[in-house]
Order: sequence, then structure tokens, then C-alpha cells
Amino acid sequence: NAGVTQTPKFQVLKTGQSMTLQCAQDMNHEYMSWYRQDPGMGLRLIHYSVGAGITDQGEVPNGYNVSRSTTEDFPLRLLSAAPSQTSVYFCASSQGTGRTEAFFGQGTRLTVV
Amino acid sequence: GQQVMQIPQYQHVQEGEDFTTYCNSSTTLSNIQWYKQRPGGHPVFLIQLVKSGEVKKQKRLTFQFGEAKKNSSLHITATQTTDVGTYFCAGRAGTYKYIFGTGTRLKVLA
Repeated sequence: NAGVTQTPKFQVLKTGQSMTLQCAQDMNHEYMSWYRQDPGMGLRLIHYSVGAGITDQGEVPNGYNVSRSTTEDFPLRLLSAAPSQTSVYFCASSQGTGRTEAFFGQGTRLTVV
Repeated sequence: GQQVMQIPQYQHVQEGEDFTTYCNSSTTLSNIQWYKQRPGGHPVFLIQLVKSGEVKKQKRLTFQFGEAKKNSSLHITATQTTDVGTYFCAGRAGTYKYIFGTGTRLKVLA
């Protein structure tokens, strides 16, 4: 069982570079989301999707784009990386739209220099 | 917007002592979930509470949802070294969004 797979696990970017964090799930879950985790800040919701073709903003969406062309994939794009985006990023998925447990990927540790 | 606060931020206990973390929301919640994250790991689902005043137990862990559905607590009886990690609550307030608390990092001293 693969569950939720995130790639890459580690990434170093220079300020101004763009990149895409990949997230894929094989559980046919409708709901997917992206969080960033910073020390003392908990997990903050960036963007989420309730199904293919549908996305919406979370608490901290600025500087990030998402799309959901398939049920399985939910990539997160950093348009122009900034040092403030140095963080650990987690992708999560769940069945349905709210009353079921979320399964998290292993995380991507991103450093922007 | 919806905010979820958690206290304490850190807790160090001797093995065998009890531990409690509290979660408070600025808005009434539809349901609340609890997750555990081991050091260097990812959050793992523990439980979900839906009803006002609900209490659920998992072995040494007791979870409560407040009567007003704005607060929740997790209590661990007789902590063990395997309980080490950060405990998060996550609340949903009528939308599809789950807002996580800031987490409580638990250290258990053997």
C-alpha cells in the first residue's frame, strides 16, 4: 500500500526559482490538501481540493498554486521561491469531505537560500 | 478567520506521570480530530470526535469534546517513552477546511 507519496523528500532552491512539489495518492480519495509546518506554528493549510477540477485556498495560499486534473494527483507549485517558504510541506488525503481521517505523506523538506 | 489554539506548547514529564493537552477554537466546530507526529515523522490520525460532550478512550488515551464544541482535550495516563511526539488537534467548522492547532510537544523522561 503506497498511500500518499510525496516527492522530492528534500529540496534546496535559490530565491526566485520555481518548482513543483508532487503528491499522489492511490486510495481514490476525493479530498486532498497541502500544509506547511514551521516550528511553533503547527500545520497551516495552504490549498485544498474536494475533487478533480476543484481547488480552494486555505490559510496561507500566497506564493503557491495548485491544480487537480486527476483524482490521484495534487501538485503544489512555488511560483518564485522566497526564504520565507523554507518549511516542511505535507500533503494529505481523505475519503469524502470532512468526517474521515486524513492520511499524510512523508513530507518534503524545502530550503530556500 | 477560524483559529485553533493548543496549550501547552511543550510538556516534559517523568515516565509514569499523566499528561494533558488542551485545544480551544475561536468558532464552534463540526468535529475535531487528533493526530500524533513522532519526531521526524508525519502526522498520524488518532481519533475523531463529533458529538457535544463526547468522550472516547484508546487504552491509556482519553479524548473529550466540550459541550459547546469549541474545545477538546487529550489525556494520557501513565505516560511511556513511546508516547513521545507532538500531538495536534484539527478542527472543522462547517467547511471542508481542517485548521490545525499549534501542537503540544511531549517529552517523556525515563
